[in-house]
Amino acid sequence: DIQMTQSPSTLSASIGDRVTITCRASQSISNWLAWYQQKPGRAPRLLIYKASTLERGVPSRFRGSGSGTEFTLTITSLQPDDFATYYCQQYDFYGTFGQGTKVDI
Amino acid sequence: EERLVQSGPELKKPGESLRISCRVSGYSFTTYWIAWVRQVPGKGLEWMGIFYPGDSEARYSPSFRGQVTLSADKSLNTAYLQWSSVEASDTALYYCARPLSEAGRLDLWGQGTMVTVS
Repeated sequence: DIQMTQSPSTLSASIGDRVTITCRASQSISNWLAWYQQKPGRAPRLLIYKASTLERGVPSRFRGSGSGTEFTLTITSLQPDDFATYYCQQYDFYGTFGQGTKVDI
Repeated sequence: EERLVQSGPELKKPGESLRISCRVSGYSFTTYWIAWVRQVPGKGLEWMGIFYPGDSEARYSPSFRGQVTLSADKSLNTAYLQWSSVEASDTALYYCARPLSEAGRLDLWGQGTMVTVS
């Protein structure tokens, strides 16, 4: 199994902040990595795939980077709608999620 | 519009059998895999397995293999997740989602089905 480790587990930030979440894979997954946003009571929403490709309709303040085993999700200027939990997922071999990062005030 | 619509909440007793469903509309049911994801209340997402309605192939995460069964009815455009005997530890929210390939990003999600075993 490929394990995914996300950090931090919780992140406190303010409107306008630049926020960075890290995801590490236990082995190389090339760029087969996705990021999701989940709000309470809602299904996850795909934000980024292939490590850095923005899903249609997702604001450009969301940016993904990385390859191999180290990946990053950056929100360049945090907006009120961005307070949520974020998950990475590898899909190089089946699918494994990271533990999640809750972004709150 | 492409949609995944899941069945309603379930309350079961330990030892009972259960099947929850995920109905596909707006795209070809037999062309895409269906994935199932578990979320225990207050916890993260867990990838359970995938099912391909085109040829009824199922693949399971090691954590869920032997614990659940994936299936589908092509005539109803509906995928299923079932248990032969539920346990309290199966209490969770279950999502179906569409991966764009066998191992793919999940671009479309159902609304989730809450299963409570008590």
